[in-house]
Amino acid sequence: GAVVSQHPSWVICKSGTSVKIECRSLDFQATTMFWYRQFPKQSLMLMATSNEGSKATYEQGVEKDKFLINHASLTLSTLTVTSAHPEDSSFYICSARVRLSSETQYFGPGTRLLVL
Amino acid sequence: AQRVTQPEKLLSVFKGAPVELKCNYSYSGSPELFWYVQYSRQRLQLLLRHISRESIKGFTADLNKGETSFHLKKPFAQEEDSAMYYCALKSMGGGFKTIFGAGTRLFVKA
Repeated sequence: GAVVSQHPSWVICKSGTSVKIECRSLDFQATTMFWYRQFPKQSLMLMATSNEGSKATYEQGVEKDKFLINHASLTLSTLTVTSAHPEDSSFYICSARVRLSSETQYFGPGTRLLVL
Repeated sequence: AQRVTQPEKLLSVFKGAPVELKCNYSYSGSPELFWYVQYSRQRLQLLLRHISRESIKGFTADLNKGETSFHLKKPFAQEEDSAMYYCALKSMGGGFKTIFGAGTRLFVKA
């Protein structure tokens, strides 16, 4: 089956620094990647939809200048949390989809971010 | 507004008992609905989708448009079914994004 990886799996950073999280589709080309955020014991909240070669579409309430998304190739999307603060501490999950209308999303294992 | 509601945060049943995880949705169109499962320490994965009308690991789910529900059912629960279950709806507009419910944790007791 299709595999999606995320790197790093966890990261601790100081407040005010920026953190980059990578999402890779290992054995398929993903035209669309999604970035989710999951708070403890809560559901996944969609942050943005990223299509290869175009600007990401952010959900309402998500600051695009704070959460920078780049989808430069069909196998890689990155999420950069800029000037991170403790409230940005969360579990970030990406998923990848092969075609625009494809039903199946393949999820990454997630990245746990802790901002001190 | 598009919304997925899972009214139960936790559902506990005995092994061999029937289980039903409830899901209701709100969507102004023809919905595409899914159930995702997340086992302990594993990533989220697709369990089943309504258009396939399939049974995976003994689970089935029927879309009831009249009641706007997509409940997940299994006649005889197994201990290995213990996991977090998310009902999800795929929006056909705005990039075909997926909206998740809050999730229900199923605990199957021996």
